[in-house]
Amino acid sequence: KNEVEQSPQNLTAQEGEFITINCSYSVGISALHWLQQHPGGGIVSLFMLSSGKKKHGRLIATINIQEKHSSLHITASHPRDSAVYICAVRSAGNQFYFGTGTSLTVIP
Amino acid sequence: DAGVTQSPTHLIKTRGQHVTLRCSPISGHKSVSWYQQVLGQGPQFIFQYYEKEERGRGNFPDRFSARQFPNYSSELNVNALLLGDSALYLCASSSARANVLTFGAGSRLTVL
Repeated sequence: KNEVEQSPQNLTAQEGEFITINCSYSVGISALHWLQQHPGGGIVSLFMLSSGKKKHGRLIATINIQEKHSSLHITASHPRDSAVYICAVRSAGNQFYFGTGTSLTVIP
Repeated sequence: DAGVTQSPTHLIKTRGQHVTLRCSPISGHKSVSWYQQVLGQGPQFIFQYYEKEERGRGNFPDRFSARQFPNYSSELNVNALLLGDSALYLCASSSARANVLTFGAGSRLTVL
């Protein structure tokens, strides 16, 4: 069993739809990261969370430490949001664990 | 300011050889971490270094080793290469509090 589980694995949405990607983890963490990976390998850090909620433009990330769960929301989705979204946690022991990613395709 | 730079970008090796991959962090970042990403999968954590000391290690065999230099750049070494070591090797740097992980573009290793 992976320390970090993401769902769904694949997601196709129409432009303008509200999107939610979920992440559950089983280890004690000091921080959780949401990452975006474009085709070709480039990874961009979207958020780092240790509690509560953060918002950046159309992206919102929340975390519930007690339930060991985080969600990434995209409002008014756009084709340029098409990418793989990865949840990663930094454990208390300074190890990083990554989910397998959610491949998002937004259709015009 | 340059981002995280990795070299080489692509390389091809044969089984049994060794490889050295290099990473230069963002200026001011003292933490460097290494990841292996096999095609179609998420990154797997290999090592984290902070202030030249190993601070974290993933579930990789002893053929994998790394070090961090006084200028905070880092090398990842893999000995006795196997076909399964073919992957994209990513390096990320972060500040002491790891508020943001900044990734390099990666080194794509092919083992034949």
